Amino acid sequence: QKEVEQDPGPLSVPEGAIVSLNCTYSNSAFQYFMWYRQYSRKGPELLMYTYSSGNKEDGRFTAQVDKSSKYISLFIRDSQPSDSATYLCAMRESGNTPLVFGKGTRLSVIA
Amino acid sequence: GAGVSQTPSNKVTEKGKYVELRCDPISGHTALYWYRQSLGQGPEFLIYFQGTGAADDSGLPNDRFFAVRPEGSVSTLKIQRTERGDSAVYLCASSFAGGASGELFFGEGSRLTVL
Repeated sequence: QKEVEQDPGPLSVPEGAIVSLNCTYSNSAFQYFMWYRQYSRKGPELLMYTYSSGNKEDGRFTAQVDKSSKYISLFIRDSQPSDSATYLCAMRESGNTPLVFGKGTRLSVIA
Repeated sequence: GAGVSQTPSNKVTEKGKYVELRCDPISGHTALYWYRQSLGQGPEFLIYFQGTGAADDSGLPNDRFFAVRPEGSVSTLKIQRTERGDSAVYLCASSFAGGASGELFFGEGSRLTVL
């Protein structure tokens, strides 16, 4: 079992839909949780960051972390075609440890 | 430049050859990371520098892979005796020291193809 599991999709939704992406993990020492977005042939860019359990909202994006279940989620409201990308969950134990990434979920938002 | 710069953007080489990939991080970032991303996979950690020294090289797959950062800025990933399985996008990222928020700033990657 990999440390971080993420369904690779692909996921296709109509414009305006609510998108739910999620990851599970096995390392209980992970404390910092991120979501990165990666467009084709580009490097990943940070979308959301959450420390420990809880929710964080930024515009149309909401990140949730449930450490008791080792489960994190990203919700995208009112999805747009420009949201079409691969979404990578990532997590780390501390600031001095490397980020561990999930496989990424490929999302297509159809106009 | 403002972002992480990686060169070359594309490299095609033959099996058995030696390859160097360069990363120029964001000015002032003391932490530098190398990741490898195969098609359909997430980035896989290779090595992490804090300043000039390798703080964690546990992700290097074998001794054909080596990385340096002699002056604490530019880094070079070196691959000896390349194999077809080394074909991937090699991503470099940088961040502030001890940046627990985890914001790694990535370059666009160097796409390596080994024929």
